[in-house]
Amino acid sequence: RKEVEQDPGPFNVPEGATVAFNCTYSNSASQSFFWYRQDCRKEPKLLMSVYSSGNEDGRFTAQLNRASQYISLLIRDSKLSDSATYLCVVNIRGGADGLTFGKGTHLIIQP
Amino acid sequence: EPEVTQTPSHQVTQMGQEVILRCVPISNHLYFYWYRQILGQKVEFLVSFYNNEISEKSEIFDDQFSVERPDGSNFTLKIRSTKLEDSAMYFCASTGGGYQPQHFGDGTRLSIL
Repeated sequence: RKEVEQDPGPFNVPEGATVAFNCTYSNSASQSFFWYRQDCRKEPKLLMSVYSSGNEDGRFTAQLNRASQYISLLIRDSKLSDSATYLCVVNIRGGADGLTFGKGTHLIIQP
Repeated sequence: EPEVTQTPSHQVTQMGQEVILRCVPISNHLYFYWYRQILGQKVEFLVSFYNNEISEKSEIFDDQFSVERPDGSNFTLKIRSTKLEDSAMYFCASTGGGYQPQHFGDGTRLSIL
């Protein structure tokens, strides 16, 4: 199973700032892409799917660059509640296959 | 909002014993999964299950592990002859299929003593 790589951080960011994370994946045939967030000792929760055209959900924007095999997540106007680990997740063969997770990027929003 | 439920939330077991972790996937979902996360490490795929059979498994999922859907709602993971290194969070997930995202239960913390 191919790897997904992320900068583990931590990213310490003041409340209200904009923060961006990238993730790279090694299998060029990967089919679908997601960002999940994980709070300490909790389950991964879907934040958003990532589409080739890029997509936005409120303060969150996700981008996919297939040519360079990276995925990005941008968080605007960060809130204290955004503090979590952000997991880059790839479905290599698509369909209902198992997911490949990155180790996550730890984000700390400071008041 | 429908959710995946898992029981127990915490299981403590002596090394060498067998454990069964239980999951109730979202009711109209067709694909079910088990993942594990060792403390401080990434989430790792174990097995996927569809139409009452295993559709994919990782190298972690060896003969020590088995899965079953004993009735119309439960999905179980059995771990035989548990080892210290089996201590981890075990997450169940489900999806309706296609390119839909997977939804995770809140996990079972397994502690092997």
